[in-house]
Amino acid sequence: DADVTQTPRNRITKTGKRIMLECSQTKGHDRMYWYRQDPGLGLRLIYYSFDVKDINKGEISDGYSVSRQAQAKFSLSLESAIPNQTALYFCATSEGGRIGTQYFGPGTRLTVL
Amino acid sequence: DQQVKQNSPSLSVQEGRISILNCDYTNSMFDYFLWYKKYPAEGPTFLISISSIKDKNEDGRFTVFLNKSAKHLSLHIVPSQPGDSAVYFCAASASNYGQNFVFGPGTRLSVLP
Repeated sequence: DADVTQTPRNRITKTGKRIMLECSQTKGHDRMYWYRQDPGLGLRLIYYSFDVKDINKGEISDGYSVSRQAQAKFSLSLESAIPNQTALYFCATSEGGRIGTQYFGPGTRLTVL
Repeated sequence: DQQVKQNSPSLSVQEGRISILNCDYTNSMFDYFLWYKKYPAEGPTFLISISSIKDKNEDGRFTVFLNKSAKHLSLHIVPSQPGDSAVYFCAASASNYGQNFVFGPGTRLSVLP
């Protein structure tokens, strides 16, 4: 089984709809992240959480919110989706305490019409 | 303005030859760097890292070189294999970013048989 899972893998929605992307991990890591990938821009950080009670905005948090329901679960919500939120979204985890590698989920391809 | 740049969107190399992927950064506070590899429909996977106290790190066929004065790092793959065909992301981090990473836009490597 994959260490970092994301659901759904693909989603098409309409402008104005609320949508939630979910991430679960079995690696036991404290830190979790949400990124989006756009062509030519690489991965940009949306939100990150260093533990269950810690939530921080990343580079591009406007229009997004997150919930850290448990150490293993980190959800990303788009309260009112807009077409420029069409992108590939990745969840990642890492160990706490020191700079370390991040482990990524397979991604969710979101299309907002 | 991108703090981490990968100026070659794509690179083609013959199997068995050397692949050299380049990355430039602008923030002199970056002190830890990673390379990730990404196959289609999968999340990025960690490849190799280097901290600013070193100028070279080697792992099998992969070597990363860091030139701090030029704010430049490169990934060398020798010999290149068809399975190396993927998108390669450079990422940089500094303690004043809360140990979060800034990613470059990626370079698509094609290794031709």
